[in-house]
Amino acid sequence: ILNVEQSPQSLHVQEGDSTNFTCSFPSSNFYALHWYRWETAKSPEALFVMTLNGDEKKKGRISATLNTKEGYSYLYIKGSQPEDSATYLCAFVGGSNYKLTFGKGTLLTVNP
Amino acid sequence: DAGVIQSPRHEVTEMGQEVTLRCKPISGHDYLFWYRQTMMRGLELLIYFNNNVPIDDSGMPEDRFSAKMPNASFSTLKIQPSEPRDSAVYFCASSPRGGNEQFFGPGTRLTVL
Repeated sequence: ILNVEQSPQSLHVQEGDSTNFTCSFPSSNFYALHWYRWETAKSPEALFVMTLNGDEKKKGRISATLNTKEGYSYLYIKGSQPEDSATYLCAFVGGSNYKLTFGKGTLLTVNP
Repeated sequence: DAGVIQSPRHEVTEMGQEVTLRCKPISGHDYLFWYRQTMMRGLELLIYFNNNVPIDDSGMPEDRFSAKMPNASFSTLKIQPSEPRDSAVYFCASSPRGGNEQFFGPGTRLTVL
């Protein structure tokens, strides 16, 4: 059973704060690491797919880094806005099997 | 493109009944995935298909669950007989290639009484 852990489980920040959270995953047999954003009552939407050690991806105020050797990825949100409130999921893909193993997510609440 | 389409959006049934969930992937996507979301276990992969062929069904909980993909534009997930512990949200997702980002449907919320 693959272990994909996300921390913290939940996070409350004020509008304008910058924040980050962590995804840890097995460091062996790495193929890809996905990040998804999941708003309440909607479906998960892909943010990033990361494949290379040292990869950094950015989309607007959101960015992510990847360390495959030590098995972790960070997601950063700069200047959080209330519309950033959502659950952020990471998912590990190991080997050539394209099966995603999801973490339990980090629930972010941005207070205006 | 309309995105991934799932039906029904909500299903309430009684224990022992057969339940069929349906999914239409995005046109041109070769991969289709079925997931189950519960509070206890989060989002879990049940099965996925590549070019209509089941590749990994190791997440299917037991023989009561079955999935088919008769053609590139349609898949079903069937539960027979259903049990209260099957109550969950079931998502279908599709992807153009393996390992790429997945596009999720709106989900089917299943309640088994």
